[in-house]
Amino acid sequence: DTGVSQNPRHKITKRGQNVTFRCDPISEHNRLYWYRQTLGQGPEFLTYFQNEAQLEKSRLLSDRFSAERPKGSFSTLEIQRTEQGDSAMYLCASSLASGGANEQFFGPGTRLTVL
Amino acid sequence: GEDVEQSLFLSVREGDSSVINCTYTDSSSTYLYWYKQEPGAGLQLLTYIFSNMDMKQDQRLTVLLNKKDKHLSLRIADTQTGDSAIYFCAESIPGGGNKLTFGTGTQLKVEL
Repeated sequence: DTGVSQNPRHKITKRGQNVTFRCDPISEHNRLYWYRQTLGQGPEFLTYFQNEAQLEKSRLLSDRFSAERPKGSFSTLEIQRTEQGDSAMYLCASSLASGGANEQFFGPGTRLTVL
Repeated sequence: GEDVEQSLFLSVREGDSSVINCTYTDSSSTYLYWYKQEPGAGLQLLTYIFSNMDMKQDQRLTVLLNKKDKHLSLRIADTQTGDSAIYFCAESIPGGGNKLTFGTGTQLKVEL
């Protein structure tokens, strides 16, 4: 049983460059979430998908950020024209939407450093 | 607005019980969760409680919920060095895909 996987685990980039991260959820999960975590803080919600539909975006998600889940399986998060303030851990989680607890299982994260 | 608060640090001796506290503000929360994060790692779901319950026990973990005071706690019995980590509570609001709102985390240090 594989959990949520994320690639790459670490990314160092120069300011102004574009970066793309990938998340592979648990295979039968229909919901996929992206969160951002900065040092000393809890994760903050960015966006989520149910199947291939992006249903909500946080106001934290500026227009430089775009997320996709084209076939309702893996998802990508792209940041264009990166800024130093984008440095953070980007976490992906997946869940099976039901009437119950909707437990979200997290991947190991992608740590982004913008120089 | 949504706000979840936790104390920043807790230090206990190995074998003692640890109690990590959390307060939340949104009374419409349906589920409350506890996650554990070890250095450089993602979050591991430990347990959760439904808002109409006041206690849940799962092996060494006991969750207490006081809905009137919007207070949640996690008790770890017989704390071990492997329990050293950051613990986050999180609330889930109905609608909006059950996105999670996390506290700032409590760093638990277990000393020998």
